[in-house]
Amino acid sequence: ETGVTQTPRHLVMGMTNKKSLKCEQHLGHNAMYWYKQSAKKPLELMFVYSLEERVENNSVPSRFSPECPNSSHLFLHLHTLQPEDSALYLCASSQGYYNEQFFGPGTRLTVL
Amino acid sequence: EDKVVQSPLSLVVHEGDTVTLNCSYEVTNFRSLLWYKQEKKAPTFLFMLTSSGIEKKSGRLSSILDKKELFSILNITATQTGDSAVYLCAGGGIQGAQKLVFGQGTRLTINP
Repeated sequence: ETGVTQTPRHLVMGMTNKKSLKCEQHLGHNAMYWYKQSAKKPLELMFVYSLEERVENNSVPSRFSPECPNSSHLFLHLHTLQPEDSALYLCASSQGYYNEQFFGPGTRLTVL
Repeated sequence: EDKVVQSPLSLVVHEGDTVTLNCSYEVTNFRSLLWYKQEKKAPTFLFMLTSSGIEKKSGRLSSILDKKELFSILNITATQTGDSAVYLCAGGGIQGAQKLVFGQGTRLTINP
């Protein structure tokens, strides 16, 4: 079990649904990240939060909305997704920007 | 555009063999090169390299960075079936927050 947990582990949703992914880190880190991992594509950075402020938004569509209420929790709110958004969504955390990132187990998302 | 390229994409060897995985990178304001192992879901951290020519070792795994030629290698000696995984390489550049750019990964299969 890693120091970064994610819920749910699996999610199936229709294109008109609204759902949220949750990430929690127990490592005392101050930076958190959302990544998308699609089949046969490299991991893609979506968002970076440092000290609860968003410092990076990698041209992600507005149907993905992140929220970081404190340094231990990170959410990804989803609405009106498309089937091509089906992927593994990974959360990570690090102490400072320049140190190694530790990943959670991911949420496998399927959009019907 | 920043990119990280890994080779080979897939490798099948017998238990006990030694393998070398390659990673070349073009990352703006490069700071660090990271290696991760991904078995099922969460990538697990292996090494972070920031200095050229200094080998990092952990048991049967070792890695080295060449900042002049812009590449890194990951060596695994006396491979075991538990080493079967996808190995990810990521280049970290300093642009505000450190952004990790991931390669496609090398899928390593160790046959008994």
